[in-house]
Amino acid sequence: GQQVMQIPQYQHVQEGEDFTTYCNSSTTLSNIQWYKQRPGGHPVFLIQLVKSGEVKKQKRLTFQFGEAKKNSSLHITATQTTDVGTYFCAGLRGDYKLSFGAGTTVTVRA
Amino acid sequence: EAGVVQSPRYKIIEKKQPVAFWCNPISGHNTLYWYRQNLGQGPELLIRYENEEAVDDSQLPKDRFSAERLKGVDSTLKIQPAELGDSAVYLCASSSSWSGSIYEQYFGPGTRLTVT
Repeated sequence: GQQVMQIPQYQHVQEGEDFTTYCNSSTTLSNIQWYKQRPGGHPVFLIQLVKSGEVKKQKRLTFQFGEAKKNSSLHITATQTTDVGTYFCAGLRGDYKLSFGAGTTVTVRA
Repeated sequence: EAGVVQSPRYKIIEKKQPVAFWCNPISGHNTLYWYRQNLGQGPELLIRYENEEAVDDSQLPKDRFSAERLKGVDSTLKIQPAELGDSAVYLCASSSSWSGSIYEQYFGPGTRLTVT
């Protein structure tokens, strides 16, 4: 089963609005990756976070790794229809076990 | 650069039948992963190879699943016999060398298995 929890499971967003999805682990993570999967597609790598408190930005996407390295977030500003899909976080635990969350599925209302 | 190649893309079999999936990773990628993705779930790691060595197969149901990566390049995942609960998308991914960290994984298009 999933060791990494993601919330919310679904996110319905009005085009132009912002939203945040969260990834939480009960154990400390060595690092974390984020992937995006379009409907009918396969996961595509977005970013990797390694350092405690790390923040990375990709255009309208902001990724953050928590200070305790147990949680992460993805914030999208000014949502566009191209943002539709499921966003997964994948965390690497200290025992080198890689675990994907169940994902946040994003739909956008034009 | 060619991506990760998987075949077949779709497979429909009756329960108790065997099935095999094939994966060709990106050239030069030493690490290969097999995942199973159920509807509405994230990918679940089945097995990870470093070259030809299976370094993590703890989540592979070994009573019916087997995998091999001869010569450290292509890999095959087999299920025998298949059960209804095996219906899922089987994803193959590859990445550059593993050094106690994780690297960007490139996923193939997956094989959608339906067991009837």
